[in-house]
Amino acid sequence: GQSLEQPSEVTAVEGAIVQINCTYQTSGFYGLSWYQQHDGGAPTFLSYNGLDGLEETGRFSSFLSRSDSYGYLLLQELQMKDSASYFCAVRDTGRRALTFGSGTRLQVQP
Amino acid sequence: ETGVTQTPRHLVMGMTNKKSLKCEQHLGHNAMYWYKQSAKKPLELMFVYSLEERVENNSVPSRFSPECPNSSHLFLHLHTLQPEDSALYLCASSQGTAPNTGELFFGEGSRLTVL
Repeated sequence: GQSLEQPSEVTAVEGAIVQINCTYQTSGFYGLSWYQQHDGGAPTFLSYNGLDGLEETGRFSSFLSRSDSYGYLLLQELQMKDSASYFCAVRDTGRRALTFGSGTRLQVQP
Repeated sequence: ETGVTQTPRHLVMGMTNKKSLKCEQHLGHNAMYWYKQSAKKPLELMFVYSLEERVENNSVPSRFSPECPNSSHLFLHLHTLQPEDSALYLCASSQGTAPNTGELFFGEGSRLTVL
């Protein structure tokens, strides 16, 4: 089966940098996605890593190491609006849908 | 309308009621999904439809019955639910199942409370 581990909560201050880690175990692996979900809102796609390395999209970057079964989401220049839950999700060879982690609740403080 | 729309946004039902959740996508996608989101737990995949055919049923109890009449609409019929079924039910769509971009488009969910 599949399993993903990520921290349950992270707290940081405005303007800081925060890294949210995700480790995964799957029977086969295509890639790792990241989603953001504000309270009461829909999960929205942030990034996808199919290959090792860093993908950058504005203030957000995502990294993947396939050999370590590990990835992270890096948020820079934190803003209050970044307070939300962040989910990693794997696309693996055995399923027709993404498998999600439990989510990391990020609280950005002034 | 754009994106993925779910109705109703909130639903309260008794254990003996029958109700349905509706999802509509306006993105031209050919795959649709139901996920269940409970507090402190991962999003749980329930059903996957590709080209209106159910391609995955993730050991979901029979009191949940999906229906996909066309590629734009997805329903989740509910009957004789249990209080532990109270959760946020999320619909999503994509072009192809488990798409190469890793991107699903989610609706805002239907918050279900079973009394």
